[in-house]
Amino acid sequence: EIVLTQSPATLSLSPGERATLSCRASQSVGSYLAWYQQKPGQAPRLLIYDASYRATGIPARFSGSGSGTDFTLTISSLEPEDLAVYFCQQGSNWPWAFGQGTKVEIK
Amino acid sequence: EVQLVESGGDMVQPGGPLRLSCAASGFTFRNYAMHWVRQAPGKGLEHVSAISSNGGSTSYGNSVKGRFTISRDNSKNTLYLQMGDLRAEDTAVYYCARFTVNSLDYWGQGTLVTVSS
Repeated sequence: EIVLTQSPATLSLSPGERATLSCRASQSVGSYLAWYQQKPGQAPRLLIYDASYRATGIPARFSGSGSGTDFTLTISSLEPEDLAVYFCQQGSNWPWAFGQGTKVEIK
Repeated sequence: EVQLVESGGDMVQPGGPLRLSCAASGFTFRNYAMHWVRQAPGKGLEHVSAISSNGGSTSYGNSVKGRFTISRDNSKNTLYLQMGDLRAEDTAVYYCARFTVNSLDYWGQGTLVTVSS
């Protein structure tokens, strides 16, 4: 069973700063890695699929990279509305797994 | 507009059954695999189950295998999750979600299941 480890647990940044979130898999997942954003009280929203492809309607400030076991979600310039928890998810092997999440706080 | 609306969440006693439903609209339901994902209060996401577009193939997470059954009725555009032998650790918001390209592109707003005596 693949385990996804996200870091850091919490990221506190000011608007306009760059946010870099990491997701590491316990074994290779190829490019089958997705990122989701979950705002307080809401369902998750797909941001990135297949490691680097933005989902429909996602702003260009969100980008994904990586392959194999190491992946990164970058928010190039934080907006106040980016306050959320971000989860990674692997779709390579069953059972699917989610990371434990990174909480992004806005200073 | 794609919509997924879960229902059926309730408070249930340990050991009891419960069935969740997810009504889909705004897309051709029979063409998509569907998934259930849950989130315990204040916790992360846990994948529960998945079903292929025609219902012929199903998969389950290790923690629910043998207790939960996923199914669908493509004539009614509805996804189901039959839950049995419920435990306190099954307490969570249950989301249904549409599968696409190794990810879940649309999610419902969730339905709360509470297992407690």
